[in-house]
Amino acid sequence: EVQLVESGGGLIHPGGSLRLSCAASGFAVSNNYMNWVRQAPGKGLEWVSIIYSDGTTYYADSVKGRFTISRDTSKNTLYLQMNSLRAEDTAVYYCARVIAGRDNTFHHFYYMDVWGKGTTVTVPS
Amino acid sequence: SYELAQPPSVSVSPGQTASITCSGDKLWDKYVCWYQQKSGQSPVLVIYQDKKRPSGIPERFSGSNSGNTATLTISGTQAMDEADYYCQAWDSNSVVFGGGTKLTVL
Repeated sequence: EVQLVESGGGLIHPGGSLRLSCAASGFAVSNNYMNWVRQAPGKGLEWVSIIYSDGTTYYADSVKGRFTISRDTSKNTLYLQMNSLRAEDTAVYYCARVIAGRDNTFHHFYYMDVWGKGTTVTVPS
Repeated sequence: SYELAQPPSVSVSPGQTASITCSGDKLWDKYVCWYQQKSGQSPVLVIYQDKKRPSGIPERFSGSNSGNTATLTISGTQAMDEADYYCQAWDSNSVVFGGGTKLTVL
């Protein structure tokens, strides 16, 4: 069964650091695009970061320079290292598998077909 | 940066058709997907590449994309369809989500 399980969330003071983990089963993290999405309390979905199968990474402007996405092939696990945390980083953080590519008309498609249940990060103001 | 706009809320009676729109500049030139998120749960993909349904998603869910607007249509809406719905597209190595639409089945 294809599954993602996040962990590592918690209460952390402003300026602190936290590392989130996302353990995958049923498929290889290294062979797929993987990303993190967050959702602040009562708000909508916000994309955070992606890592391609070739290791290329991209970040939302709101976290660039503070967050780092990575993976461990031997553990089949995705990570999100979060530094210099702010109150506005308070959210549920989801990891998701991404299906992406270009069709025969060279249009990009990108969608998240498997999601974890999320882990909550709280940074008090 | 690219933006997608959705109405905050849509209401529908059981058995009727619900339409949720997602607007963006030249959206016809991008692939749009849709996620359903029920209260307290993770998002679930219901439409990808404008109009394709993942396995397990009921046929009453359909999608279209033309001009500057993509539309998620739910035919014969059921009480279980009450949820938040988010559109999403890809632009310049970045994922863009719409603000979400709360679908209420009255």
